Amino acid sequence: AQSVTQLDSHVSVSEGTPVLLRCNYSSSYSPSLFWYVQHPNKGLQLLLKYTSAATLVKGINGFEAEFKKSETSFHLTKPSAHMSDAAEYFCVVSDLGSSNTGKLIFGQGTTLQVKP
Amino acid sequence: DTGVSQDPRHKITKRGQNVTFRCDPISEHNRLYWYRQTLGQGPEFLTYFQNEAQLEKSRLLSDRFSAERPKGSFSTLEIQRTEQGDSAMYLCASSLRGQGYEQYFGPGTRLTVT
Repeated sequence: AQSVTQLDSHVSVSEGTPVLLRCNYSSSYSPSLFWYVQHPNKGLQLLLKYTSAATLVKGINGFEAEFKKSETSFHLTKPSAHMSDAAEYFCVVSDLGSSNTGKLIFGQGTTLQVKP
Repeated sequence: DTGVSQDPRHKITKRGQNVTFRCDPISEHNRLYWYRQTLGQGPEFLTYFQNEAQLEKSRLLSDRFSAERPKGSFSTLEIQRTEQGDSAMYLCASSLRGQGYEQYFGPGTRLTVT
């Protein structure tokens, strides 16, 4: 069965400094991986996705993630944090069970705090 | 707005009452999902429709929960005899295809059972 583990429940950075949100995955197959962001009182928004093409994936708002099969990791990065990046971030894997429903399996989430 | 919409956005109900939520997916999307998110947790899968067929249900979906998607368009999620443990955000998402394709989420319905 597929699963994801977000290694930090809370990350705090200063505005203008790099962001690193860590995620490890477990999958018996070549996974499809996503990062979603959830701002307070707003819906989940897709940041980026990996589906076995390029291992370095670029997303919206300057975010990137690198798929590393040897480390079973899919960490999210951004060179310079903005105040508007403060939100909850979810690492997600698409289920690859025999039913092939494409249902998503979410990590526990990482709260990103950006200090001025 | 051509995104996923959900109605109502908030629902407060007393324990034991029945509630129904509606989800309108993106019009050309044939796959529809329901998830539940409790405070401080990531969303958890509840059920999945491909067109009008309900093809998978999570063990989280007790027999008090029922979902429909008549004619493969909008979907409803009904909870009968609500319990305080049902308090959560109920999220709907739609997708054009399955595995590997992104799902677009609605704003959610926040249910509070008193």
